[in-house]
Amino acid sequence: AQSVTQLDSQVPVFEEAPVELRCNYSSSVSVYLFWYVQYPNQGLQLLLKYLSGSTLVKGINGFEAEFNKSQTSFHLRKPSVHISDTAEYFCAVSENSNYQLIWGAGTKLIIKP
Amino acid sequence: ETGVTQTPRHLVMGMTNKKSLKCEQHLGHNAMYWYKQSAKKPLELMFVYNFKEQTENNSVPSRFSPECPNSSHLFLHLHTLQPEDSALYLCASSTTGTSGGAGTDTQYFGPGTRLTVL
Repeated sequence: AQSVTQLDSQVPVFEEAPVELRCNYSSSVSVYLFWYVQYPNQGLQLLLKYLSGSTLVKGINGFEAEFNKSQTSFHLRKPSVHISDTAEYFCAVSENSNYQLIWGAGTKLIIKP
Repeated sequence: ETGVTQTPRHLVMGMTNKKSLKCEQHLGHNAMYWYKQSAKKPLELMFVYNFKEQTENNSVPSRFSPECPNSSHLFLHLHTLQPEDSALYLCASSTTGTSGGAGTDTQYFGPGTRLTVL
C-alpha cells in the first residue's frame, strides 16, 4: 500500500443523524483494511477490519464499512450517531507479509447536540 | 492490569536530558511496536519487535533507542531530543509470531506518553 487518504479532517454531525467517514487508498496489490478509533486521552482500538469475504464489514458500536475494490475505498458508516461517538477515526491499510500499517491522517467526528 | 500500559503518561524534558518510556503488554503477544503520533499527521511507525528481535526501523534518528528485553516489555530511550520530537508516543502489541500474515493482525494500543521537549 502506498498511501491512505482520509478526505475530511473533521466531520460535524448532529446527534442521531447518519454519518459517513471516507477513506481511499492506493495500492498495486491486495490489501487488508482497518478502521481504528481513538477516544480522547486514550490509545487506538480496532473498530473493524476487512480481510476477505463479504465486502460489508460490521464492527463494534454499530459501525460498518464497505470495501469497494474498483474505487479503492473503505468508507465507514453509522446510521445514527451518539454523543459517545465523539472521537478521532483512523483508516489503515496493510499487505499480507508486512507488519507495517499505512495510516490515514484521521478524521475527527464532532457530534452536535 | 490488562491490555497495554504505558508509563509515564506525561513527560516534559529538556533537550539535554535522558529519559525512558516504558510499555508493558499483558496479552501474551509476540510483537510490539512504537509509534509517533503528531497532530493532523498519519501515525508514524518507528520500531517493530517480534519475539524480542527488531524487525523494522523506519529511519528513526539515533536519539531514539528502543529496547525489548522480553516479549512483554518495550522501552524507548530518549536523549538529546529536539522540540520537533514533541508528540504522543504510542506503544502497541499484536499476536504475530511469524512474518507471514502479519498484515492481518489487530494491534492493541496503550494510552500513550505525551512528550514535550523544551
